[in-house]
Amino acid sequence: QKEVEQDPGPLSVPEGAIVSLNCTYSNSAFQYFMWYRQYSRKGPELLMYTYSSGNKEDGRFTAQVDKSSKYISLFIRDSQPSDSATYLCAMSGGQGGSEKLVFGKGTKLTVNP
Amino acid sequence: GAGVSQSPSNKVTEKGKDVELRCDPISGHTALYWYRQSLGQGLEFLIYFQGNSAPDKSGLPSDRFSAERTGGSVSTLTIQRTQQEDSAVYLCASSPNARGTQYFGPGTRLLVL
Repeated sequence: QKEVEQDPGPLSVPEGAIVSLNCTYSNSAFQYFMWYRQYSRKGPELLMYTYSSGNKEDGRFTAQVDKSSKYISLFIRDSQPSDSATYLCAMSGGQGGSEKLVFGKGTKLTVNP
Repeated sequence: GAGVSQSPSNKVTEKGKDVELRCDPISGHTALYWYRQSLGQGLEFLIYFQGNSAPDKSGLPSDRFSAERTGGSVSTLTIQRTQQEDSAVYLCASSPNARGTQYFGPGTRLLVL
């Protein structure tokens, strides 16, 4: 079992739809949870950053972390064609050291106009 | 300001040759990470630098892979005797410190024929 599991999709939705992306993980040491967006042939860019459990909202994006279930989610409201990209969840532990990120494999999202 | 830059953007090499990949982090960022992104495996950690030291090399897949960082800035990832399975996108990220947000470069696309 990989440390982080993410459904690769692809996911195709009409413009304006609510998109739900999620990841599960097995390492209970993870404390920092991130969502990155990656456009084709570009490097990942950070969308959302959450520490421990809870919700965080930024514009059309909401990130949720449920540490008891080892489950994280990203919701995109009023999705736009410009949201079409691959979304990567990432997480790291809090024990000091390198804080290397452990990534899911990414979900490819297409928002159709 | 300038982001993380990587060179070359694309590299095609023959099996058995050595390659060097370069990363220029954001100025002042003390932490630097190398990751590899391949179709089957997703994005995987390779090595972490804090300053010029590499306290975490746990992701390097074999002794054919090495990396160095000089002057607390530029880093070079070297792959010796390349194999076809080394074909991937090699991503560099830098961070203000060990637990800060990681900012990614555009990557170097390596193809080993």
